[in-house]
Amino acid sequence: ETGVTQSPTHLIKTRGQQVTLRCSSQSGHNTVSWYQQALGQGPQFIFQYYREEENGRGNFPPRFSGLQFPNYSSELNVNALELDDSALYLCASSISGSNYGYTFGSGTRLTVV
Amino acid sequence: EDQVTQSPEALRLQEGESSSLNCSYTVSGLRGLFWYRQDPGKGPEFLFTLYSAGEEKEKERLKATLTKKESFLHITAPKPEDSATYLCAVQDLSNDYKLSFGAGTTVTVRA
Repeated sequence: ETGVTQSPTHLIKTRGQQVTLRCSSQSGHNTVSWYQQALGQGPQFIFQYYREEENGRGNFPPRFSGLQFPNYSSELNVNALELDDSALYLCASSISGSNYGYTFGSGTRLTVV
Repeated sequence: EDQVTQSPEALRLQEGESSSLNCSYTVSGLRGLFWYRQDPGKGPEFLFTLYSAGEEKEKERLKATLTKKESFLHITAPKPEDSATYLCAVQDLSNDYKLSFGAGTTVTVRA
């Protein structure tokens, strides 16, 4: 059974640029969520995708967008990067409606300079 | 809005010195309370889910308990490999698509 895999592991971008982060869900999981974790803080919910549609969204601006593909993999896109976007971005997969916990990937460390 | 507060922020223990971490929460209706372990530079690793007051779960040296307002993670006779940040998160019945996390407790166990 494979876990959640994310790519790339590290990324450095310049303010104003755009970035795409990728995630492959755990086998059998049909829901994917994205979280942002600033240094020393707990993860903050960005959004969740189920059946290729956004299923819920946290307090993040529209320049944060996502996609879920038929194979349940996912992308997080961030436009017009700001210095405060520097963080660890975590992808988590789950089975919709189940009582099992979310499985997290190891994250992508994004640095905006 | 859901609120999760963890205390203390940091905990330094001697090997074998048992202790407890606290997670206080406010939700409109609790679907589940989750405990995760996170090592530096890694994603959170699932430990437990608790669903109702009075529930307890154990795994090796860790034991999680739940009341209507808080949860405790008890670490019994810790070892250096138990050093990590422990995160608590709640899932609200009204918006069960997300987890709301606390800031975590960083535990350091010295040999």
